[in-house]
Amino acid sequence: DAGVIQSPRHEVTEMGQEVTLRCKPISGHDYLFWYRQTMMRGLELLIYFNNNVPIDDSGMPEDRFSAKMPNASFSTLKIQPSEPRDSAVYFCASSSLTRETQYFGPGTRLLVL
Amino acid sequence: QQQVKQSPQSLIVQKGGISIINCAYENTAFDYFPWYQQFPGKGPALLIAIRPDVSEKKEGRFTISFNKSAKQFSLHIMDSQPGDSATYFCAARDDYKLSFGAGTTVTVRA
Repeated sequence: DAGVIQSPRHEVTEMGQEVTLRCKPISGHDYLFWYRQTMMRGLELLIYFNNNVPIDDSGMPEDRFSAKMPNASFSTLKIQPSEPRDSAVYFCASSSLTRETQYFGPGTRLLVL
Repeated sequence: QQQVKQSPQSLIVQKGGISIINCAYENTAFDYFPWYQQFPGKGPALLIAIRPDVSEKKEGRFTISFNKSAKQFSLHIMDSQPGDSATYFCAARDDYKLSFGAGTTVTVRA
């Protein structure tokens, strides 16, 4: 199994630009999670999906952030417009209903100038 | 507001020594307590996990001790090796949502 796949691995953009982060979960997993990691705030859960349906988006910081999961094998996290304080590493993770382990992807390192 | 408090922030141990990381929580709804290991530039990976009805779990050199009444749990790394140098996160789960501690950077000196 290839594990959770995220793209791009690195993204540098200018303030005000739209940023789209992509995630392919492990095949057969029912749950997909988006996290953000910063030195100041650590690992924070932004949103999670079950069977492609958003269940809890209480961690999404602002309306500038949105996430979608159009099918079981693809999810996006979009930031529009981006701001320098959005600079962080964004992780996607997936898990199955019957197994408790969340498997993390390699992350996307975002830098907003 | 950090739901899981982790200490210390960093520690240095000699090869062969024991590393101990502590975590505390308040939310009694937490029902699963995993520890994740993260290397620079990588995503966190599950190391070991425990449920609150068990007081101790051991997997190789890694042991979790769990004290339900005190709402505390800890990770012990026995016979620490240079390859164990990483950041360790405790976490707690409530309804599929994981809350993470702030992390402990462990450095094992050869």
